[in-house]
Amino acid sequence: KNEVEQSPQNLTAQEGEFITINCSYSVGISALHWLQQHPGGGIVSLFMLSSGKKKHGRLIATINIQEKHSSLHITASHPRDSAVYICALRRPPGAGSYQLTFGKGTKLSVIP
Amino acid sequence: DSGVTQTPKHLITATGQRVTLRCSPRSGDLSVYWYQQSLDQGLQFLIQYYNGEERAKGNILERFSAQQFPDLHSELNLSSLELGDSALYFCASSLGPNTEAFFGQGTRLTVV
Repeated sequence: KNEVEQSPQNLTAQEGEFITINCSYSVGISALHWLQQHPGGGIVSLFMLSSGKKKHGRLIATINIQEKHSSLHITASHPRDSAVYICALRRPPGAGSYQLTFGKGTKLSVIP
Repeated sequence: DSGVTQTPKHLITATGQRVTLRCSPRSGDLSVYWYQQSLDQGLQFLIQYYNGEERAKGNILERFSAQQFPDLHSELNLSSLELGDSALYFCASSLGPNTEAFFGQGTRLTVV
């Protein structure tokens, strides 16, 4: 079983819709990252979370450490949000904390 | 712009050859990470350096090696290249092991 699972794998939405991408994990972590990868290939770090909730513009990320679950929400989605969204785990110190473990990504397409 | 610079952006080479990928971290960042993204394996951690010293190794082949220089830039050397080494290679940097990582735009390696 993978340490980190994302759902859905693919998501198509109409412009303006509220979008939720989920990430569940099975190991202890010190932080969770949400990354965005555009079709050109570059990766942008969106959030790093260790607890609670963070907001940046139309993006909101939440994490529930007890339930080992995180969500990325996009409000008022726009075609420029079309990308692959990747959840990545940072393990605690002494347990491989120097590396990230990545989910397989959620491919989001927002249609005008 | 993340502040992490990778060169070259694209590289096409033949099987059996050797190539060097270069990464300049964000100003002030001491940690450099290398990741490989292939179509079938997704993103995988290769190796991490902190202030010139190797700190962690992931799924890095023996044909691959890396180093971090006194000016903190890093190079990833890939030798005896095989078709299966074709992938996107990302460098990321962070201030420390448990701080947010910022990714470069990647080097797309094609082995023919």
